[in-house]
Amino acid sequence: NAGVTQTPKFQVLKTGQSMTLQCAQDMNHNSMYWYRQDPGMGLRLIYYSASEGTTDKGEVPNGYNVSRLNKREFSLRLESAAPSQTSVYFCASSGRSRGGNQPQHFGDGTRLSIL
Amino acid sequence: GENVEQHPSTLSVQEGDSAVIKCTYSDSASNYFPWYKQELGKRPQLIIDIRSNVGEKKDQRIAVTLNKTAKHFSLHITETQPEDSAVYFCAASISNQFYFGTGTSLTVIP
Repeated sequence: NAGVTQTPKFQVLKTGQSMTLQCAQDMNHNSMYWYRQDPGMGLRLIYYSASEGTTDKGEVPNGYNVSRLNKREFSLRLESAAPSQTSVYFCASSGRSRGGNQPQHFGDGTRLSIL
Repeated sequence: GENVEQHPSTLSVQEGDSAVIKCTYSDSASNYFPWYKQELGKRPQLIIDIRSNVGEKKDQRIAVTLNKTAKHFSLHITETQPEDSAVYFCAASISNQFYFGTGTSLTVIP
């Protein structure tokens, strides 16, 4: 199993350009998440999707949109990139069991630079 | 919403010594507490977790303790080795959401 796969791994954009970060998981998880990671600030939640067809804002949603295309795929879109969006972006997924929440599994990250 | 605080932000220990990282959370409804290790340039990876109905869990050199009354939980690494050097994140979970601490950079000095 590949787990959580993110594409691309690296990207450089100019201010104002748009792009979509792709994420897919093969663990049949219901919940999927997008985080950004900046130095000294840990992981901050951008958006999450508790199940197929639902999405909710996290801590830092401004400037981003998401699409839960199906159970496997959850994409993050920057409509008009800004230098403040330079960061490492991680996608994660998690499942649930009778015992409660299960841990999140992370992708390898996308390193995004906005010039 | 939930607020997770993590201390210390940096920690240096001699090889073979123990390391302790502490986290506090604010929402008593949090019921699942994972710990992640992140090496430089890599993804966060789960190293141990604990649920709210358990007070302590151990896996070889790593242990986690949870005090629900005080709303704090701690990671203990014994007999540290250079390969333990990394950033460690705690998290608290309610329903489908996870709230992370800001991380502890652990350096194990050979």
